[in-house]
Amino acid sequence: GQNIDQPTEMTATEGAIVQINCTYQTSGFNGLFWYQQHAGEAPTFLSYNVLDGLEEKGRFSSFLSRSKGYSYLLLKELQMKDSASYLCAVADSNYQLIWGAGTKLIIKP
Amino acid sequence: DGGITQSPKYLFRKEGQNVTLSCEQNLNHDAMYWYRQDPGQGLRLIYYSQIVNDFQKGDIAEGYSVSREKKESFPLTVTSAQKNPTAFYLCASSTDVGTGELFFGEGSRLTVL
Repeated sequence: GQNIDQPTEMTATEGAIVQINCTYQTSGFNGLFWYQQHAGEAPTFLSYNVLDGLEEKGRFSSFLSRSKGYSYLLLKELQMKDSASYLCAVADSNYQLIWGAGTKLIIKP
Repeated sequence: DGGITQSPKYLFRKEGQNVTLSCEQNLNHDAMYWYRQDPGQGLRLIYYSQIVNDFQKGDIAEGYSVSREKKESFPLTVTSAQKNPTAFYLCASSTDVGTGELFFGEGSRLTVL
């Protein structure tokens, strides 16, 4: 079966750095996506990786290793507004998105 | 401003009633999707549509129905056959199926009393 694993919850301190991991087992691979979702709101797109390596976008970076079935989202200089759930999703061989359950990130002052 | 509009945001339904959730987009996207989100679970695909007058079942289509009569609109009907309809429903669109960046509506929270 297809499976996406990510930690249920993480806590970090304002101004610090946090890494959210995602491991996947899917039928084929056509890219990995990270979305941010604030409580009760719609998910919003953060990043897309299809080749191995690190993609940097401001305070957020996303890394992919296809051979290990592994990705992480790195958030730097954490701000209180970064408190949200972070969703990992993989596009399978049919380009259908398989979603992880999300990681709830709690930022403390 | 371009975007996706879902309505209503909150909906209460009695058992045995059908309800329809509205989804409208003005992004000129061909592909539209309906997802269900439950606590502790990933988004699950209910139905998707690549083009007007065509739609495909997702992983959990039983008890749901959709239509795509216009490019801009993709309403979802939750029928009385859906055994556990209480959930947060999200509509999304993209330029094409397989184009990963999805644009989501604000969601509709359905509660069955």
